[in-house]
Amino acid sequence: EADIYQTPRYLVIGTGKKITLECSQTMGHDKMYWYQQDPGMELHLIHYSYGVNSTEKGDLSSESTVSRIRTEHFPLTLESARPSHTSQYLCASSEIGNYGYTFGSGTRLTVV
Amino acid sequence: DQQVKQNSPSLSVQEGRISILNCDYTNSMFDYFLWYKKYPAEGPTFLISISSIKDKNEDGRFTVFLNKSAKHLSLHIVPSQPGDSAVYFCAARTGNTPLVFGKGTRLSVIA
Repeated sequence: EADIYQTPRYLVIGTGKKITLECSQTMGHDKMYWYQQDPGMELHLIHYSYGVNSTEKGDLSSESTVSRIRTEHFPLTLESARPSHTSQYLCASSEIGNYGYTFGSGTRLTVV
Repeated sequence: DQQVKQNSPSLSVQEGRISILNCDYTNSMFDYFLWYKKYPAEGPTFLISISSIKDKNEDGRFTVFLNKSAKHLSLHIVPSQPGDSAVYFCAARTGNTPLVFGKGTRLSVIA
């Protein structure tokens, strides 16, 4: 079944640690996105990619990096986690020309 | 500055009645609008969309209305069911750009 997977679902980590949030999709979509969302707030775009070796920054990208070496894989890395990074991180993908996104289940990150 | 605004954080509706969720936008260049539904601890799921060249799109119990002159769109759910209880996000885009989302409206359908 085609889908988009995020791991881990939940993560509690100490301040200063480096973490990578994984996102993989089996639909062959060219476009992938990372959004951050806090309760009662809008989804904020962190990074996006329109294909292999192509990445762009969104509104909240300054403290994280992404890579797109394979079409199906779009990991997000925080080099040094801080309590302000505590949030839900949502990965999504879409086809070129298709305006709808398919979202993963999200990673709930807590930095203590 | 928020380009997509959902000014009602929450809405409660009786089962069987109509739910109306509203969304306003400021960017007149937006040409495609979408509604997503989100349950706790899950990612948003696509519900319905509308192009700026239309003023209405219907899919079963869900209808989206677009008023471009007022920069306003609304989602109507008729009849509302308890399973519709979720957070609803309005989103918009210009051409090939990533979606811009509102803050969401929490809908509670009371049995």
